[in-house]
Amino acid sequence: AQSVTQPDIHITVSEGASLELRCNYSYGATPYLFWYVQSPGQGLQLLLKYFSGDTLVQGIKGFEAEFKRSQSSFNLRKPSVHWSDAAEYFCAVVTGTASKLTFGTGTRLQVTL
Amino acid sequence: DAGVTQSPTHLIKTRGQHVTLRCSPISGHKSVSWYQQVLGQGPQFIFQYYEKEERGRGNFPDRFSARQFPNYSSELNVNALLLGDSALYLCASSRKGLAGASGELFFGEGSRLTVL
Repeated sequence: AQSVTQPDIHITVSEGASLELRCNYSYGATPYLFWYVQSPGQGLQLLLKYFSGDTLVQGIKGFEAEFKRSQSSFNLRKPSVHWSDAAEYFCAVVTGTASKLTFGTGTRLQVTL
Repeated sequence: DAGVTQSPTHLIKTRGQHVTLRCSPISGHKSVSWYQQVLGQGPQFIFQYYEKEERGRGNFPDRFSARQFPNYSSELNVNALLLGDSALYLCASSRKGLAGASGELFFGEGSRLTVL
């Protein structure tokens, strides 16, 4: 069955430092992959998505992600983190005849000043 | 344009009661999906409706049901509530499916259900 693994439950970085959040997927075909962000008490906002083509995807808020088929990974990166980036980040893959998203368990990002 | 709107935002029920959650999709979106997010976990797929027909169902008991109306709004109903049903229920809309360049789910802010 298709699945997504986010190995890091909680990450703490200093403001201005670089960030990488890991995501590994299990899927037979070419996956459609997403990264969403959720602030406390809020819904989910799409940061970026990969469906085909260029493996380096640019998103909103200065985020990017790289699709690596050989490693079954879709890691999220940001060169310089801002305090407002503190939130929960979810990686997701489209499954079920393109009708649903299967989410990872999330990574909580804490930013220290 | 208005985003996905959900009501109520918060509610408290007791075990055995019934709850109805409502969702209005973004204008022009014909697909509505429901997800359950238990504290500390990622969202879990419950249902997808497209053009008023159920197109997908997650691994949830028959106590969970949903429907989509002609104006594409949707209701999620949960009967015989259990303590474990306490969660944030998220509604999401999309134009059609999720594949391809235009595929994207737009989420509402959710309805937080507490079952006592």
